[in-house]
Amino acid sequence: AQSVTQPDIHITVSEGASLELRCNYSYGATPYLFWYVQSPGQGLQLLLKYFSGDTLVQGIKGFEAEFKRSQSSFNLRKPSVHWSDAAEYFCAINTGGFKTIFGAGTRLFVKA
Amino acid sequence: DAMVIQNPRYQVTQFGKPVTLSCSQTLNHNVMYWYQQKSSQAPKLLFHYYDKDFNNEADTPDNFQSRRPNTSFCFLDIRSPGLGDAAMYLCATSGPGGNYEQYFGPGTRLTVT
Repeated sequence: AQSVTQPDIHITVSEGASLELRCNYSYGATPYLFWYVQSPGQGLQLLLKYFSGDTLVQGIKGFEAEFKRSQSSFNLRKPSVHWSDAAEYFCAINTGGFKTIFGAGTRLFVKA
Repeated sequence: DAMVIQNPRYQVTQFGKPVTLSCSQTLNHNVMYWYQQKSSQAPKLLFHYYDKDFNNEADTPDNFQSRRPNTSFCFLDIRSPGLGDAAMYLCATSGPGGNYEQYFGPGTRLTVT
């Protein structure tokens, strides 16, 4: 069965520190890969996506993610976190149908 | 700006009283989705429309229905809301091209009293 695992329920980082959010998926081939961000009380916004090609993808708000086929991972990174980055982050996969499978999310807290 | 709009942003209904949530889009996307999201959980797909074709998820309760009168609008009807239906309801769209990236509205927070 297809699934997405985000092993960290919440992460706290200091403002200005680097960030890495982990994501692993289970699927027999390479799916479409996404990271979405959700601020409190808001809908989800696409940060970045991977379909094929260069395994390091750049997104909005200074985020990037790296696809590693051997590890079935798609970790999200940011070199310097801002207080406004505090939000819930969802990793998601799509295997070609209309159903996108979301991970359980990682809540990011940013401390001053 | 092209966008997905949901109204109302907050809805309070009584136990068992039918409620309708609305979604509109200016993206001209052919696919529209409804998700239910409970606190600190991932969004759960209820159903989607591909043009006028309605596709229900197997585990979506019969209490939830949807209508899509035209490309721009989609409605979520909850026929007899229970306390367990209190949640954020998210509408999303995706366009042609097969990449399945989704554009979400801001959501409607439903409270059942």
